[in-house]
Amino acid sequence: DAGVIQSPRHEVTEMGQEVTLRCKPISGHNSLFWYRQTMMRGLELLIYFNNNVPIDDSGMPEDRFSAKMPNASFSTLKIQPSEPRDSAVYFCASSVDRGQNYGYTFGSGTRLTVV
Amino acid sequence: DQQVKQNSPSLSVQEGRISILNCDYTNSMFDYFLWYKKYPAEGPTFLISISSIKDKNEDGRFTVFLNKSAKHLSLHIVPSQPGDSAVYFCAAMGGSQGNLIFGKGTKLSVKP
Repeated sequence: DAGVIQSPRHEVTEMGQEVTLRCKPISGHNSLFWYRQTMMRGLELLIYFNNNVPIDDSGMPEDRFSAKMPNASFSTLKIQPSEPRDSAVYFCASSVDRGQNYGYTFGSGTRLTVV
Repeated sequence: DQQVKQNSPSLSVQEGRISILNCDYTNSMFDYFLWYKKYPAEGPTFLISISSIKDKNEDGRFTVFLNKSAKHLSLHIVPSQPGDSAVYFCAAMGGSQGNLIFGKGTKLSVKP
């Protein structure tokens, strides 16, 4: 298994532009999570899906952020319009159900820089 | 408010000695605790977990201890190796939290 695959690895964009981050979870995992890592706030959950349905999006900063999971093998996180304060590393992770015994499997992350 | 706290941002240990990483939590409803390890430019990787019904779980050089009354857990690495140098995250789940809540991490440096 190739693990959780995220693309792109790096993204540099200008303020105001739309940014789309992509994630392919591990086959057979039914939960998918989007986390954001910053120096100030550490790893914070943005949204998570179970069986392709959004369960908790209370971590999504504001309406500029949206996430979709059209099927079990693909999810996107979109920021429109992007702002410099959105600069961070965005991680996607997947698990079987709660993931309490074996945790979540994380992708390598997308480093987003908004200038 | 931080539900999971790692109060030491960094720790330096000599190779062969014990590394002890600490974590405190505030939510008594948490029922699973996990440790993750993260190398630069990579995602966090799962290391070891413990259920709230246990007070110790061991896996090779790694042991996690849970003290529910103190709402404290620790990760012991014995013996420490230079390859253990990474950022270690403590995480917890349970109660109304259907997802993992992470601490801010402790950067461990193991010196040869």
